[in-house]
Amino acid sequence: EAGVAQSPRYKIIEKRQSVAFWCNPISGHATLYWYQQILGQGPKLLIQFQNNGVVDDSQLPKDRFSAERLKGVDSTLKIQPAKLEDSAVYLCASSLSGQGGIGNTEAFFGQGTRLTVV
Amino acid sequence: QKEVEQDPGPLSVPEGAIVSLNCTYSNSAFQYFMWYRQYSRKGPELLMYTYSSGNKEDGRFTAQVDKSSKYISLFIRDSQPSDSATYLCAMIKGGYQKVTFGTGTKLQVIP
Repeated sequence: EAGVAQSPRYKIIEKRQSVAFWCNPISGHATLYWYQQILGQGPKLLIQFQNNGVVDDSQLPKDRFSAERLKGVDSTLKIQPAKLEDSAVYLCASSLSGQGGIGNTEAFFGQGTRLTVV
Repeated sequence: QKEVEQDPGPLSVPEGAIVSLNCTYSNSAFQYFMWYRQYSRKGPELLMYTYSSGNKEDGRFTAQVDKSSKYISLFIRDSQPSDSATYLCAMIKGGYQKVTFGTGTKLQVIP
């Protein structure tokens, strides 16, 4: 079974530039998550999709971050304009569904995109 | 106060030692408790989960939950160098199962 695919693996940009990350979840997984992991910290949920609808985006800085999940499959996360404090690893994860027992909610993570803003 | 607190370490132990990793939480709404392992430059992977107070064992790993004290632990017996990683506790509330992670404890097992 193919895992969660993310690209690019690494990205270096200057502050105030824009950047986009792409995620392809595991086939059949309805729930998709974007997490931000700053060095030395645990992942922080930015946005959670159930199919192509947003379930939770309470911690997404909406003035600069946006995300979409067209057709309920692939997703893109965009930052515009980037700030120095956005330097982090951006992790995409997917689960079978967002509810029920652990069999449905276990999140499978991609390898992440390491963003450096200079 | 953070909802989930975890000692960041780092923790360095000799091979064969028993390792104890701990997290505390403040919100009694958490229903599922998980431990993820994250190797360097990789995404987290689920190691163990439980939803009730008590112990759950899987090979060399034991997950322990004490809901009355809002305290969870992961024990690793006979630790191996391959166990060297960052261990993240994670918890889920009800509804659409938003996962809240601890900050992670970096573990190094010295051969």
